[in-house]
Amino acid sequence: AQSVTQLGSHVSVSEGALVLLRCNYSSSVPPYLFWYVQYPNQGLQLLLKYTSAATLVKGINGFEAEFKKSETSFHLTKPSAHMSDAAEYFCAVSGEYGNKLVFGAGTILRVKS
Amino acid sequence: EAQVTQNPRYLITVTGKKLTVTCSQNMNHEYMSWYRQDPGLGLRQIYYSMNVEATDKGDVPEGYKVSRKEKRNFPLILESPSPNQTSLYFCASRPGPRYEQYFGPGTRLTVT
Repeated sequence: AQSVTQLGSHVSVSEGALVLLRCNYSSSVPPYLFWYVQYPNQGLQLLLKYTSAATLVKGINGFEAEFKKSETSFHLTKPSAHMSDAAEYFCAVSGEYGNKLVFGAGTILRVKS
Repeated sequence: EAQVTQNPRYLITVTGKKLTVTCSQNMNHEYMSWYRQDPGLGLRQIYYSMNVEATDKGDVPEGYKVSRKEKRNFPLILESPSPNQTSLYFCASRPGPRYEQYFGPGTRLTVT
C-alpha cells in the first residue's frame, strides 16, 4: 500500500526566494513518484516524475525534486520563485503493479511581490 | 492531439436524478481512473480500470458506478446523486503503473 504526506497545506514565499515543498511517501514496493501542478480553475499538469533512474529529477518551469530513499522523501524545489508559480502542488506515489496512484492533500503556494 | 476529454464540464442537478459523466481518451491507454477533488483532501480515486471489462474500486467508490466496454471510454455513473457528491471530478488515463496520469479538464458537479 502507498500513502503520501505533504507537509504544509499553504506555503508563502517572496518572489525570487527559494521554493521548497515537502513530500514524504510510504510504499511497500519500490515507488514511482510524481509532482503535479494545478493552476486556478484548471486541470492537473505533470511537473516531473521519478521512475527509478536518476535520483535528482528535473522538471518543467525550473522545478526539480530529489528522491531520498533513506528519508522516504521527494521534496520539490525551485531556486527562485516567480509570480506565475502560484498554484496548488500535488505529490503522488504509485507502485509497480496495479492502478493505484495515491495523491497527497496538496500544498497551495503563494508568491508575494 | 493526445488528450482526455470529459463532458459535461459543469453540471448542476438535484438529489436522486441519475446522471452520467463521459470520459474518452485517444492515446490507446490501458489504465483509466476517476478521481474526485475536494478542498484539503487532494484527489481521491473513485474507480479504476486496467483494461476493457476490468474495473475495480478505488478509495471512495460508494454511490458511483463505472463501465469499460471500449478501451477509449470510461463513463462515471451516479445512479442517485446526493449533495455529498458535490465535487470536482477528473478522469485520467495512463499506459501503465510507471507512467504519469494524463488528466481530463475536470467536471464540476453540484447536487442540490
